[in-house]
Amino acid sequence: KAGVTQTPRYLIKTRGQQVTLSCSPISGHRSVSWYQQTPGQGLQFLFEYFSETQRNKGNFPGRFSGRQFSNSRSEMNVSTLELGDSALYLCASSPWDRGETQYFGPGTRLLVL
Amino acid sequence: GDSVTQMEGPVTLSEEAFLTINCTYTATGYPSLFWYVQYPGEGLQLLLKATKADDKGSNKGFEATYRKETTSFHLEKGSVQVSDSAVYFCALSDLNAGNMLTFGGGTRLMVKP
Repeated sequence: KAGVTQTPRYLIKTRGQQVTLSCSPISGHRSVSWYQQTPGQGLQFLFEYFSETQRNKGNFPGRFSGRQFSNSRSEMNVSTLELGDSALYLCASSPWDRGETQYFGPGTRLLVL
Repeated sequence: GDSVTQMEGPVTLSEEAFLTINCTYTATGYPSLFWYVQYPGEGLQLLLKATKADDKGSNKGFEATYRKETTSFHLEKGSVQVSDSAVYFCALSDLNAGNMLTFGGGTRLMVKP
């Protein structure tokens, strides 16, 4: 099976712009989660989608949003980018239920100038 | 809320040395516990997991035992190799929080020939 794929892998944006990141889960996986990784804050949970519904949300401002499509692919959007949004954004998928192992993609590295 | 604390790095060892990376957790329920590894420029790879007390997870020579009485999940390897150099993350997943992973701060391991 192909692993979790994320596009694009690298992105440079300027403050105030918006960005959309894409994640394709492992075939058959229905849960997709997003995480932000920064040197200062480490790995922080953004949100989880299951069957097109947001099941859980981390402590991030409303500028961070996401969605999941019927084929389980997911996108996350960040509006009005700030310098502090520079990070590695990781997507993870898991097969079905709660507590199952999550499999991570390679991440999208976002640099905000 | 749930939290994970792991020893700060970097940990520098010579090849064939014994490795221990300490991890303790706080959780209200009965979490599943994980160790993930991140190589430079890559996403997270699952190293091993344990889903209940006294379970031992193992993979590629690494081991960790779920200790409920001490709320710990320490990672060990009897003989490290240069190729084990990476950042190691301890994480928990609480069934009450969907598939959200709570991560420790990560421990960088450097193995010298």
